[in-house]
Amino acid sequence: GQNIDQPTEMTATEGAIVQINCTYQTSGFNGLFWYQQHAGEAPTFLSYNVLDGLEEKGRFSSFLSRSKGYSYLLLKELQMKDSASYLCAASSGGSYIPTFGRGTSLIVHP
Amino acid sequence: DAGVIQSPRHEVTEMGQEVTLRCKPISGHDYLFWYRQTMMRGLELLIYFNNNVPIDDSGMPEDRFSAKMPNASFSTLKIQPSEPRDSAVYFCASSSQGVGADTQYFGPGTRLTVL
Repeated sequence: GQNIDQPTEMTATEGAIVQINCTYQTSGFNGLFWYQQHAGEAPTFLSYNVLDGLEEKGRFSSFLSRSKGYSYLLLKELQMKDSASYLCAASSGGSYIPTFGRGTSLIVHP
Repeated sequence: DAGVIQSPRHEVTEMGQEVTLRCKPISGHDYLFWYRQTMMRGLELLIYFNNNVPIDDSGMPEDRFSAKMPNASFSTLKIQPSEPRDSAVYFCASSSQGVGADTQYFGPGTRLTVL
């Protein structure tokens, strides 16, 4: 089976940096997705990591370590609008179907 | 592009009734996915289609659930009979070039409440 673990909730201050961790256990691992989901809305794609290392996209960066089964999403210069749930998902097998974690609810306060 | 379109946005029904959820994927996308999201279980993949053909339905919880994709621009997810534990947000998503290599675009979801 597959197992995705991420913290349930995190809080941070506007303007700060926050790191959301995700660990996964899956056979036939292909890659790791991060999605953002605002309350009452659909998930939107943030990143997909296949290779080890850090990939940066503006204020958001995503890191992957395949040997450790570990990923993190780094959010810089936090804004109030970054308050949302962040979903980690691992894809595996020939069909590349992603298995989602429960999500980390990030609360950004002034 | 209008994005993935789902209807209805909200559905309230009584236990035992049939429920049909509808989805129109993004034009040109050849993969379509149905997900269910609850607080307890998070986001779960129910079934996905490639070129209108169901590829993997192992996530469909019971025989009460069925999904069809009669053409490239339309899919339905049917629950018959519905039960209170089916209450959830159901998302449809579409993508092109395969699941692992491309972004899945999610529709706004249908919030289903079964009384």
